[in-house]
Amino acid sequence: GAGVSQSPRYKVAKRGQDVALRCDPISGHVSLFWYQQALGQGPEFLTYFQNEAQLDKSGLPSDRFFAERPEGSVSTLKIQRTQQEDSAVYLCASSLALSRDRGVGYGYTFGSGTRLTVV
Amino acid sequence: AQTVTQSQPEMSVQEAETVTLSCTYDTSESDYYLFWYKQPPSRQMILVIRQEAYKQQNATENRFSVNFQKAAKSFSLKISDSQLGDAAMYFCAYRKETSGSRLTFGEGTQLTVNP
Repeated sequence: GAGVSQSPRYKVAKRGQDVALRCDPISGHVSLFWYQQALGQGPEFLTYFQNEAQLDKSGLPSDRFFAERPEGSVSTLKIQRTQQEDSAVYLCASSLALSRDRGVGYGYTFGSGTRLTVV
Repeated sequence: AQTVTQSQPEMSVQEAETVTLSCTYDTSESDYYLFWYKQPPSRQMILVIRQEAYKQQNATENRFSVNFQKAAKSFSLKISDSQLGDAAMYFCAYRKETSGSRLTFGEGTQLTVNP
């Protein structure tokens, strides 16, 4: 597609419920990132994929968070047993850049995010 | 670890006037990128301008320009001839040159444009 698509746009979950958030990156984009943005804060890094390989998951806040990108395109962020502190906007970003590239792609294209509210 | 600091939680400007948003960062790297992103209520992060650390010349994109001071680790954004559509949250961001590096964001500055 023309941009990064995220679904659902809004999600309300009861505490303890599992949720799955989807990201459709721009076709052909190698790199995919997930960020968590709490209200009034800047986005915080969660995890990074290069194609289907999850190369960095150091930002995942707990083992309740799990991300996958099995075919190197669509990615899913899953949160198990949601807690109130998980309430945030979850942003996905993709990039074409694979190596040192001072042309196209060293900036990232972001989706509009999923706003998760845990009640 | 890299950090990015935006010391102005809120700024306001009159339409057609000029405003400058401040950003400082901390890194031990010599090669990196700096960005300013705009986030309107739609939540999508929109790239406003980027600067490569190896370039001494300040980046410019139409009404947007930066003042990049590498030694001082300062990266301010100047918006000239402000328009109502410029109202948004602005984030300063840093990333290392290495492929796949994450973006590190500041806390953001909420810009209001008054008619």
